[in-house]
Amino acid sequence: ETGVTQTPRHLVMGMTNKKSLKCEQHLGHNAMYWYKQSAKKPLELMFVYSLEERVENNSVPSRFSPECPNSSHLFLHLHTLQPEDSALYLCASSQAGLAGSDTQYFGPGTRLTVL
Amino acid sequence: GQNIDQPTEMTATEGAIVQINCTYQTSGFNGLFWYQQHAGEAPTFLSYNVLDGLEEKGRFSSFLSRSKGYSYLLLKELQMKDSASYLCAVRDKDYQLIWGAGTKLIIKP
Repeated sequence: ETGVTQTPRHLVMGMTNKKSLKCEQHLGHNAMYWYKQSAKKPLELMFVYSLEERVENNSVPSRFSPECPNSSHLFLHLHTLQPEDSALYLCASSQAGLAGSDTQYFGPGTRLTVL
Repeated sequence: GQNIDQPTEMTATEGAIVQINCTYQTSGFNGLFWYQQHAGEAPTFLSYNVLDGLEEKGRFSSFLSRSKGYSYLLLKELQMKDSASYLCAVRDKDYQLIWGAGTKLIIKP
């Protein structure tokens, strides 16, 4: 496989469920990102991992818990979500450094619906 | 605060030319990106501008004016497959990406 892959592509869960989203990048990058994309809103950066260390957590509720076991894999663990958490969750990777041209490459996303 | 403005939706005709504008107010500037996102798919990188002027890539061109806080994406010879959302993003002084809400482009035959 190439690029950035995400599983599952679609997920429906109840508010009491626990589930995990998975992301894998095959680009040899050293940084990975989780974004939330809601209709007609800008992408919201949730978490950033660089060299497997979390470097950013943008005031995301604790019901979202990221995990980055190595530079190729990223997980987002979900528990006791709310209906307003329904959105498209996108994973991205990049070869990060202090260069403005660092390009992020995205996976196809997981469409999450919370009932 | 930091802000990126793009039109919500635009409509154009197959074979025509369309210009999608993006204006920004950010803390510093370290480049501007355009991405294309088809419905239900990943955003894909189109272009990066850091210096003023026009960058051309086939049917797509991107323009930047840093003094005006303004960019546009120009799409020529529109094809039906160009129907998608186009996302503008600016990298600020801290190298954070600030995203616009995207412009949905509808191409009609």
